[in-house]
Amino acid sequence: EAQVTQNPRYLITVTGKKLTVTCSQNMNHEYMSWYRQDPGLGLRQIYYSMNVEVTDKGDVPEGYKVSRKEKRNFPLILESPSPNQTSLYFCASSSRATRNYEQYFGPGTRLTVT
Amino acid sequence: AQSVTQPDIHITVSEGASLELRCNYSYGATPYLFWYVQSPGQGLQLLLKYFSGDTLVQGIKGFEAEFKRSQSSFNLRKPSVHWSDAAEYFCAVGSTGGGNKLTFGTGTQLKVEL
Repeated sequence: EAQVTQNPRYLITVTGKKLTVTCSQNMNHEYMSWYRQDPGLGLRQIYYSMNVEVTDKGDVPEGYKVSRKEKRNFPLILESPSPNQTSLYFCASSSRATRNYEQYFGPGTRLTVT
Repeated sequence: AQSVTQPDIHITVSEGASLELRCNYSYGATPYLFWYVQSPGQGLQLLLKYFSGDTLVQGIKGFEAEFKRSQSSFNLRKPSVHWSDAAEYFCAVGSTGGGNKLTFGTGTQLKVEL
């Protein structure tokens, strides 16, 4: 089954404790992206990757890091989480064939930073 | 910069009634437009998309949307709503920035009364 998986689905952590949210897709998609969803703000892009070893900032990259060492994986790293990073996070992937627009989303990771 | 406006935060309709969710976009070039649905606790699922051609597009689950360039709108419609359609709906525009990212509206929460 074609899918995007994220782990963990739920995470509660404390300020400053480094964490990683994993994202994996099995569709051989070139493009992957991270979004955060906050009430009243919709989804905002954090980082994206056009292909392996190619990443770039989205609209709200501060406080986040990413890497793309393999085509299927695109982890999101919070080196020193803060309460304002409490949010619902989505990973998405898409194919260059659709100009990266037709994106498939993972189930989301709900992060709480206390 | 591109933007998407969904003027209705919440909409309530009776089961069997027709539905129209509004979406207005701002984008300088020919837009690529999308509607996604997010069921509770789920990721986003693509309902339909407009790239070019026929301005009335059909999607999954009986939804359709009409692109009106003169009004910068891409409203989502369904002739008869089912209780299972209760969810949050997001309109998005694809742009050439951010690796061809999606810019989302803030969403419309649909409640269906039985």
